[in-house]
Amino acid sequence: DAGVIQSPRHEVTEMGQEVTLRCKPISGHNSLFWYRQTMMRGLELLIYFNNNVPIDDSGMPEDRFSAKMPNASFSTLKIQPSEPRDSAVYFCASSFSQGTRDLYEQYFGPGTRLTVT
Amino acid sequence: LAKTTQPISMDSYEGQEVNITCSHNNIATNDYITWYQQFPSQGPRFIIQGYKTKVTNEVASLFIPADRKSSTLSLPRVSLSDTAVYYCLVGEDKIIFGKGTRLHILP
Repeated sequence: DAGVIQSPRHEVTEMGQEVTLRCKPISGHNSLFWYRQTMMRGLELLIYFNNNVPIDDSGMPEDRFSAKMPNASFSTLKIQPSEPRDSAVYFCASSFSQGTRDLYEQYFGPGTRLTVT
Repeated sequence: LAKTTQPISMDSYEGQEVNITCSHNNIATNDYITWYQQFPSQGPRFIIQGYKTKVTNEVASLFIPADRKSSTLSLPRVSLSDTAVYYCLVGEDKIIFGKGTRLHILP
């Protein structure tokens, strides 16, 4: 398996622009997670889906952020409009979860490094 | 919600055994303990998970005392390539990575 695939790997955009990050989870996994990592705040969970349904979005910073999972093999994280403070590495992860224990065995993608100028 | 406390950083030398301890005084009955490793410019990698006593795999061992209020990740005979950040996670439905322990292996 190719693992979790994220695109783009790097994104540089100007403040106010829309940014869309993409993720393809590992085939057969039923849970998908979006994280943001910065030096100041560490690794933060933004949202996670189970069977394509958002379960916990309490980590989504504000209305400028939205995430969708239209099917089991694809998810997007959108920021509109983007701001310089959104600059971070965004990771997508997936797992095969039959219970909360499995929820913690996640497989991460390589991340997207976002820079908003 | 079980909160974890880990040392911010540790140094060790190649060939040594490294033990990283995580405190989780408020661990709940159903909580598992999970450890991740993150290399620079990569996403975290699942290392090991346990509930009680001892768990061992090809990468590490996890020791959990009877009261489960702490756990120790043990890395045998570390090499320079084990330099990474190690995260301890405890919880049932709230996933929190925290800042982790920055392990630096010296030659």
